[in-house]
Amino acid sequence: QVQLQESGPGLVKPSETLSLTCTVSGGSIGNYYWNWIRQPPGKGLEWIAYVYYSGSTNYNPSLKSRVTISVDTSKNQLSLKLSSVTAADTAVYYCAREVVTGRKREFDLWGRGTLVTVSS
Amino acid sequence: SYELTQPPSVSVSPGQTASITCSGDKLGDKYVCWYQQKPGQSPVLVIYQDKKRPSGIPERFSGSSSGDTATLTISGTQALDEADYYCQAWDSSTAVFGGGTKLTVL
Repeated sequence: QVQLQESGPGLVKPSETLSLTCTVSGGSIGNYYWNWIRQPPGKGLEWIAYVYYSGSTNYNPSLKSRVTISVDTSKNQLSLKLSSVTAADTAVYYCAREVVTGRKREFDLWGRGTLVTVSS
Repeated sequence: SYELTQPPSVSVSPGQTASITCSGDKLGDKYVCWYQQKPGQSPVLVIYQDKKRPSGIPERFSGSSSGDTATLTISGTQALDEADYYCQAWDSSTAVFGGGTKLTVL
């Protein structure tokens, strides 16, 4: 059974860089798209970016200038870096697997999420 | 940027049918997914490609989409269906989520 586990610091200072890792266990990272999605406390979901197992990426235009996403197939991990964070970046960050078949795509598996608080 | 609009809340009595709408420009031309999120838990895919149910999702969950509106329907709603529901679609290589609908079963 494939599982996703997010990890990283729970507290980041304003203006610094948020760094998270998602480890995929029980299955291969290959042939899927891997996404980061966040949810501020009490609010809705916001898509951040995806990375294909080959390394190609796509970013939410609203965050593109601050986000870097990558994949390490040897470790079955994907990572997220978000620079110049502010309190508005406080959220639960989820990694999610995406199945893509042409135009058909869905997030079929989610991690448990990790809360990142931006505060001095 | 593309937007998906959902009602903030929907209430339903146990055993009745709940309908949650999601509206967006020409949404019927896109594929819509629906996610269920219970308090303190991760979202779970309940409908994909407008109307398909993943394995393990009860038959009482169904979906449809046409024109500018997609609808998630829960027939014979149970107390355990109380949750937040989010619609989602892709537009110009960007994933867009609706604002979410809190379903209350009372």
